[in-house]
Amino acid sequence: AQSVTQLDSQVPVFEEAPVELRCNYSSSVSVYLFWYVQYPNQGLQLLLKYLSGSTLVKGINGFEAEFNKSQTSFHLRKPSVHISDTAEYFCAVSDYTGGFKTIFGAGTRLFVKA
Amino acid sequence: DTEVTQTPKHLVMGMTNKKSLKCEQHMGHRAMYWYKQKAKKPPELMFVYSYEKLSINESVPSRFSPECPNSSLLNLHLHALQPEDSALYLCASSEGSPFYEQYFGPGTRLTVT
Repeated sequence: AQSVTQLDSQVPVFEEAPVELRCNYSSSVSVYLFWYVQYPNQGLQLLLKYLSGSTLVKGINGFEAEFNKSQTSFHLRKPSVHISDTAEYFCAVSDYTGGFKTIFGAGTRLFVKA
Repeated sequence: DTEVTQTPKHLVMGMTNKKSLKCEQHMGHRAMYWYKQKAKKPPELMFVYSYEKLSINESVPSRFSPECPNSSLLNLHLHALQPEDSALYLCASSEGSPFYEQYFGPGTRLTVT
């Protein structure tokens, strides 16, 4: 069965600094990987996804992630963050063995300080 | 239209009440989901409907009863809930398999008194 580990529960960072949110997964088969963002009192919104192809994936709001199969990682990065990026970020994985089930990581709270 | 709508936004109910949560999407998606999310936690999958048939029930108590009247609508009927059922209930949809991203609604904030 697949699982997802987000290594940091909280990441404080100053505005305009770069940030990396870490995600590791485990699965015995090929996986499909996602990053979602949740702003306060809202649902989740897809930032980016990796299904196949290029291991560097670009998403919305200037975010990108790199799929590393040997490290079983899918870290999310942004070169310069804004106050408005303050939110909860969830890494998620699905594979065909889980049916329609997507497994979410515990989440990382990104807090951008002025 | 890439929107999933949920009603109501907020719901307060007593432990003896019966209420329903509603979810609607017009993206032609064939999979729809109910999640429960407690504060500072990830969403927990409750139910999945695939092509209007219940395909996953994550051992949810029978006081939660899902219904999919058609491919665009998803309901969650609530009866005799407990205070620990208070949470944000999220609906989501996807094209038809777990390989596609899910589109989430804004959620219903449920409080059981």
